[in-house]
Amino acid sequence: GESVGLHLPTLSVQEGDNSIINCAYSNSASDYFIWYKQESGKGPQFIIDIRSNMDKRQGQRVTVLLNKTVKHLSLQIAATQPGDSAVYFCAENGSAGGTSYGKLTFGQGTILTVHP
Amino acid sequence: SQTIHQWPATLVQPVGSPLSLECTVEGTSNPNLYWYRQAAGRGLQLLFYSVGIGQISSEVPQNLSASRPQDRQFILSSKKLLLSDSGFYLCAWSVWDSNDNTIYFGEGSWLTVV
Repeated sequence: GESVGLHLPTLSVQEGDNSIINCAYSNSASDYFIWYKQESGKGPQFIIDIRSNMDKRQGQRVTVLLNKTVKHLSLQIAATQPGDSAVYFCAENGSAGGTSYGKLTFGQGTILTVHP
Repeated sequence: SQTIHQWPATLVQPVGSPLSLECTVEGTSNPNLYWYRQAAGRGLQLLFYSVGIGQISSEVPQNLSASRPQDRQFILSSKKLLLSDSGFYLCAWSVWDSNDNTIYFGEGSWLTVV
């Protein structure tokens, strides 16, 4: 079946380093991807998204890269801060084809720990 | 701006008791509404979604039900809770626009069935 999964379940970095979180997807028809950040006990927060007609998109300190050839997605966080510590989920939106709702398929999540 | 509220934030219920979690969205009209469940240390599983009042689609067979009595109100219910219903429940919304697929989540409700 179709799935979205993460390569690394945990990632520990030092404050100030750059972080890279990876995600693989299996549905070649996926056309929209989202990264969420979830802090302990809270709901997921939208970080950045990318459509399949792009291979890179930048936000504030974050960059998402999409490689459709190998069906791989990554989230890069520059100058990682302790406040970035959280679980990061990639998600693929199943509304490809113009349906009016989105059914997100989530990866299992990567725990990012930033050490001061 | 749009906001989403869900309550209660935490709930401890005995097995066999009923459940009602409520969610409201403000600042938008005719949103798509969703209920997700997240087991401890796991990803999110879509339980129900709704594209309009009274329109509910279930993604997985389970002991839960959902209702949408008003445009911006979404309710998750159970008549008799099971131990396996414990988890973190998240309400979410998105706009009615195939060009904007982002889903926005509430703060979640922790349910412990004992």
